[in-house]
Amino acid sequence: DTGVSQDPRHKITKRGQNVTFRCDPISEHNRLYWYRQTLGQGPEFLTYFQNEAQLEKSRLLSDRFSAERPKGSFSTLEIQRTEQGDSAMYLCASSSRDYEQFFGPGTRLTVL
Amino acid sequence: AQSVTQLGSHVSVSEGALVLLRCNYSSSVPPYLFWYVQYPNQGLQLLLKYTTGATLVKGINGFEAEFKKSETSFHLTKPSAHMSDAAEYFCAVSDRWNAGNMLTFGGGTRLMVKP
Repeated sequence: DTGVSQDPRHKITKRGQNVTFRCDPISEHNRLYWYRQTLGQGPEFLTYFQNEAQLEKSRLLSDRFSAERPKGSFSTLEIQRTEQGDSAMYLCASSSRDYEQFFGPGTRLTVL
Repeated sequence: AQSVTQLGSHVSVSEGALVLLRCNYSSSVPPYLFWYVQYPNQGLQLLLKYTTGATLVKGINGFEAEFKKSETSFHLTKPSAHMSDAAEYFCAVSDRWNAGNMLTFGGGTRLMVKP
């Protein structure tokens, strides 16, 4: 069990560019979550997958955001036309049971 | 919508002193309850959780928390603070009736430990 991994750990981009983040969950975890954490705040839920199906999306997830989990393994989160307000830590978590989520180290995005 | 309140965004204690971090939730139906710790530039690590059964739960690193339904609280305690406890602590809940069990977090409490 190597834990949840995320790539990249840091991303600096210019406003208007597209970025994509990857999350590799703990193997055989069928649930995968994305959260966003801005400076000084608690994480906020973005979206959730059970296997390859995206079952819930937060209102925080604007049309510029898209997430996928092909084949129910790793997941990607893409942000199109980034804005300065997108600067945050993006956290991925996975779970095999109803209530315990394991978090990755996060991807810190800075939009200049 | 569920909400979580952590009283005190910053708490400072001396090494060896009692740690008390407060958490209150808003749901009338007791949710699942969690405490996570976050060290700088890292993800969140689960300290402890309450789902059912005994209301006093013990976690890692000597932390424990007590679920009090009448007070809608789940405060985190540790009898004796250690320098390595300095970190950000988050209380979180998930609704029992929601199949996805998404977490709602409080705003966090930064614990500082003075030598």
